Amino acid sequence: GIQVEQSPPDLILQEGANSTLRCNFSDSVNNLQWFHQNPWGQLINLFYIPSGTKQNGRLSATTVATERYSLLYISSSQTTDSGVYFCAVAPMEYGNKLVFGAGTILRVKS
Amino acid sequence: GAGVSQSPSNKVTEKGKDVELRCDPISGHTALYWYRQRLGQGLEFLIYFQGNSAPDKSGLPSDRFSAERTGESVSTLTIQRTQQEDSAVYLCASSLGGVWTDTQYFGPGTRLTVL
Repeated sequence: GIQVEQSPPDLILQEGANSTLRCNFSDSVNNLQWFHQNPWGQLINLFYIPSGTKQNGRLSATTVATERYSLLYISSSQTTDSGVYFCAVAPMEYGNKLVFGAGTILRVKS
Repeated sequence: GAGVSQSPSNKVTEKGKDVELRCDPISGHTALYWYRQRLGQGLEFLIYFQGNSAPDKSGLPSDRFSAERTGESVSTLTIQRTQQEDSAVYLCASSLGGVWTDTQYFGPGTRLTVL
């Protein structure tokens, strides 16, 4: 089945710093989503981005489907950005589920 | 409007007992998914419902796991004869259409602990 790899696995930032999270996937996909899981466990959808670039406030994401990767940019990080960031893809091979990466744990220090 | 809700939020049970977890999707969402998240890990797909079509059960780990959904409403996930390895957070999500075209919205999860 498809492999979804996220990097880095852990990241510690000083408040105000910028960061880039990466998601590589091993096969063609119909859908790619980025999620933030806050320290209380709630998963929040950040972007639905099978291709192209989107921006939402301090966050933006780019997916290059032909090269099988996506990037999530966090600018001017805040302590509330802490948590786990997951990339999830819907493979073309079987379309009924999202396959999640292992996540990037982000800690933003004040 | 209301998001996806799940109950109970926490469940502690003894090994061998049956448990039932509930999910209320967002009104109007035809697709409903169950996932499992073990401590410190990503999400594992369990089962997918789309309208009145036959569910995709390909992610269920054993025949002790089953799920039902009536139409486009509430779903229940049942785990029979629970084992300690079933301890995890069980997350439900819903979307307007299928996973290829629409964003999934997640509930807060049910934390299951099997003693």
